[in-house]
Amino acid sequence: GAVVSQHPSRVICKSGTSVKIECRSLDFQATTMFWYRQFPKKSLMLMATSNEGSKATYEQGVEKDKFLINHASLTLSTLTVTSAHPEDSSFYICSAEGGDSYEQYFGPGTRLTVT
Amino acid sequence: QKEVEQNSGPLSVPEGAIASLNCTYSDRGSQSFFWYRQYSGKSPELIMSIYSNGDKEDGRFTAQLNKASQYVSLLIRDSQPSDSATYLCAVEDVTGGGNKLTFGTGTQLKVEL
Repeated sequence: GAVVSQHPSRVICKSGTSVKIECRSLDFQATTMFWYRQFPKKSLMLMATSNEGSKATYEQGVEKDKFLINHASLTLSTLTVTSAHPEDSSFYICSAEGGDSYEQYFGPGTRLTVT
Repeated sequence: QKEVEQNSGPLSVPEGAIASLNCTYSDRGSQSFFWYRQYSGKSPELIMSIYSNGDKEDGRFTAQLNKASQYVSLLIRDSQPSDSATYLCAVEDVTGGGNKLTFGTGTQLKVEL
């Protein structure tokens, strides 16, 4: 149980374009989903927390107009990187939490390369 | 500011030995603690959760929690080369709310043949 999928696993896009990443909880309903970013050999950095049907809560320093998050249902959250630039190239990982246990289950991640 | 501290390593142990990974945290109100394993280029995988003082065993893994000392550890018995990975300690972010976790920077474990 507790399987989280992410799509796409890898994407290459041109500078200035937008990229959408999907995160799905496959076998449980996720009350909360989280979006992280990880640069090579660095620790996980939480970008935002999203709850179904409400606006995402962004961490300090994360531009909400650049990283659009939609949590349309209890099993789906999307992250859209708008007007992507090479410095946005990173490993984006979502996680889902289904109850009061604080246990987060991670998706396999999306490797974004902006050229 | 809430912090979760881990030795970055690498921690090298021979195959078959016990690997001991340690983590300290600053938020005394935290009640939930987790260990994640992350292979290079992959996303983290939850391997243990612990909520009460003492030991919790699951197969070759034992998590140990001491809330008074604000210390949580992970022991891996009979270490295998496949255990070579970065181990992330995560602690409930009580003040931040929203069921967030605070992650340490991870300890790289190398199990050598």
